[in-house]
Amino acid sequence: GNSVTQMEGPVTLSEEAFLTINCTYTATGYPSLFWYVQYPGEGLQLLLKATKADDKGSNKGFEATYRKETTSFHLEKGSVQVSDSAVYFCALRYSGGGADGLTFGKGTHLIIQP
Amino acid sequence: KAGVTQTPRYLIKTRGQQVTLSCSPISGHRSVSWYQQTPGQGLQFLFEYFSETQRNKGNFPGRFSGRQFSNSRSEMNVSTLELGDSALYLCASSLDLGNQPQHFGDGTRLSIL
Repeated sequence: GNSVTQMEGPVTLSEEAFLTINCTYTATGYPSLFWYVQYPGEGLQLLLKATKADDKGSNKGFEATYRKETTSFHLEKGSVQVSDSAVYFCALRYSGGGADGLTFGKGTHLIIQP
Repeated sequence: KAGVTQTPRYLIKTRGQQVTLSCSPISGHRSVSWYQQTPGQGLQFLFEYFSETQRNKGNFPGRFSGRQFSNSRSEMNVSTLELGDSALYLCASSLDLGNQPQHFGDGTRLSIL
C-alpha cells in the first residue's frame, strides 16, 4: 500500500538557518504530494503541493520538488524564523480508480530558537 | 471565506457511550473527509463523503460511521466508545474528489474516561 516516511525529530535550528525536512514515499501510480503544517492546538494547514513529477511547490519561502526517480518530496526553506516552529507533515493522495484519503507521514516537530 | 468548522471543540465521554461529531465544509466544497490523529498512530484516514455517499473508507471498525447531508455538512459517529478512541478527530473538505487539496478544520478533541 501507500506509505510516507519522514524524519520525526524534534529538529532544532537557530533562526535564519537553512531547513531541510526529508520525505520519501511509496505509492502505486502517480500520487499528488503535499506538505501540511500544524501549529499547537490547531488543525492542519496546507503549505504546498505538487501534482506531477518535477513540479515545484512553493509558499511562504518553503519549497519542495516532486522527484519521481527518488520518490522524494523534501521540504526546504532558506532562512527559518521562530514563527516556523510547528509540526510538518508530508502526505500523498492517490486517486487511481477512485477517491482515496491522504496518507501522512508521522510528522516532523520543528523548533526554531532565537 | 469561512474555513472548515468542527463542533464541538472538546468532548469528554465514558467507555460504552456513543458520540457524534459535526463538520461544516468550506462553502462550495462537496467532498468531506475524516481523520483520526493520535500520538501513537499519527494521522489516519477514516472515510470520505461526496454527494451524500461514502466514497472510500480507511481501516477502522464498523463502530465508526458517518454521513453527509445535501448541503455537504457531515457528521461522524462512534458507538460503544473505547479508551483507545481518545484522539483528535479532524475533518477536511475539498472542492471535488481526486487530487484536490484538502483543507482542515481545527478538530474535535475526544477524551474517553
